[in-house]
Amino acid sequence: LAKTTQPISMDSYEGQEVNITCSHNNIATNDYITWYQQFPSQGPRFIIQGYKTKVTNEVASLFIPADRKSSTLSLPRVSLSDTAVYYCLVGGYTGYQKVTFGTGTKLQVIP
Amino acid sequence: EAQVTQNPRYLITVTGKKLTVTCSQNMNHEYMSWYRQDPGLGLRQIYYSMNVEVTDKGDVPEGYKVSRKEKRNFPLILESPSPNQTSLYFCASTSPGTSGTNEQFFGPGTRLTVL
Repeated sequence: LAKTTQPISMDSYEGQEVNITCSHNNIATNDYITWYQQFPSQGPRFIIQGYKTKVTNEVASLFIPADRKSSTLSLPRVSLSDTAVYYCLVGGYTGYQKVTFGTGTKLQVIP
Repeated sequence: EAQVTQNPRYLITVTGKKLTVTCSQNMNHEYMSWYRQDPGLGLRQIYYSMNVEVTDKGDVPEGYKVSRKEKRNFPLILESPSPNQTSLYFCASTSPGTSGTNEQFFGPGTRLTVL
């Protein structure tokens, strides 16, 4: 399983764009990159998934360079409610496999 | 409403007293999984199941058992709980999502304390 490395924590002011980068140097050819958000004492919630280039949905964008050894989750104009832990996962598309979460990035949004 | 439910949500027990945490999903998902979460360690997978009667170990299976006799249910069994199993437990199920995505749906969590 590809190991992921993320910053432990980040601070941002409300209204700013936040970019969280995940390093996954040994990503396999058939691996996808998935990001989850977790609030205290709640289960993680799916944010976005991608394989290459750029993926955008209503809450975030995911940028993946051509070598796929890293990825960046971009949250536009964060609000206080975006304060959470964000996890990057790398693994097979089907999900039928062992899953390893990293320790995540704790994002603190400041008023 | 599509959801994953866990019971109980909170449990305080004593060392050695067998317990079961139930997990049920109503989305007809084939893949289900159990995680534990401890401060500073993130989420660690305990066991997962690819379908009925098919289960496999995750990263931290010691001290736990699971069974998958029906697609919707995936109970976690602690035969002889110990204090180091005090943790927050999450059950999850997976389905292929829209536009080729694949997401795990997590339950609300079970906070277990073993004295």
